[in-house]
Amino acid sequence: KNEVEQSPQNLTAQEGEFITINCSYSVGISALHWLQQHPGGGIVSLFMLSSGKKKHGRLIATINIQEKHSSLHITASHPRDSAVYICAVRDTDKLIFGTGTRLQVFP
Amino acid sequence: EPEVTQTPSHQVTQMGQEVILRCVPISNHLYFYWYRQILGQKVEFLVSFYNNEISEKSEIFDDQFSVERPDGSNFTLKIRSTKLEDSAMYFCASSEMGTWNYEQYFGPGTRLTVT
Repeated sequence: KNEVEQSPQNLTAQEGEFITINCSYSVGISALHWLQQHPGGGIVSLFMLSSGKKKHGRLIATINIQEKHSSLHITASHPRDSAVYICAVRDTDKLIFGTGTRLQVFP
Repeated sequence: EPEVTQTPSHQVTQMGQEVILRCVPISNHLYFYWYRQILGQKVEFLVSFYNNEISEKSEIFDDQFSVERPDGSNFTLKIRSTKLEDSAMYFCASSEMGTWNYEQYFGPGTRLTVT
């Protein structure tokens, strides 16, 4: 059974700071997802990764398959980035979710 | 942009009652999923569905739960006799195909409150 661990659980930052959220998993996977969950509860997919690095705007996601580790970076953070960021790994049909990292960015 | 929709957004029911949560997946998607998130906890997989059959289910998805695609557009989750511990946010998701390289798109969720 795959276990997905995220760190930190909570993160506060000042606007403009560079943010890093980490994710580790225990068993080899086919794909890893980064998702964003806002206070209303809706889940939005940010990235799907199987190797290397992806960039979308101020967001960058990397994955190291050998080390079973992924990171999500936010450059020039903004208060609107405040949300819960969730790492999830693909296991057969399903996604196995981490517990999430709650990010608050203050002006 | 096509999106997954769910109704209702919030459902309150009494313990022991049956509830049906509804989802309309993205129209050309073939794989459908239900997940749930108990308040303060992580999102958990319930069931996946393809070609009118369950393809995988979790331990949570016991005989009290069922899924159905009653027509060409809706995908439903039924809980036969709700318990207090069924209170959670339920998310529907769909993907074009079931392989790892196809993304799952999530609906906005239905918050179920069992009293």
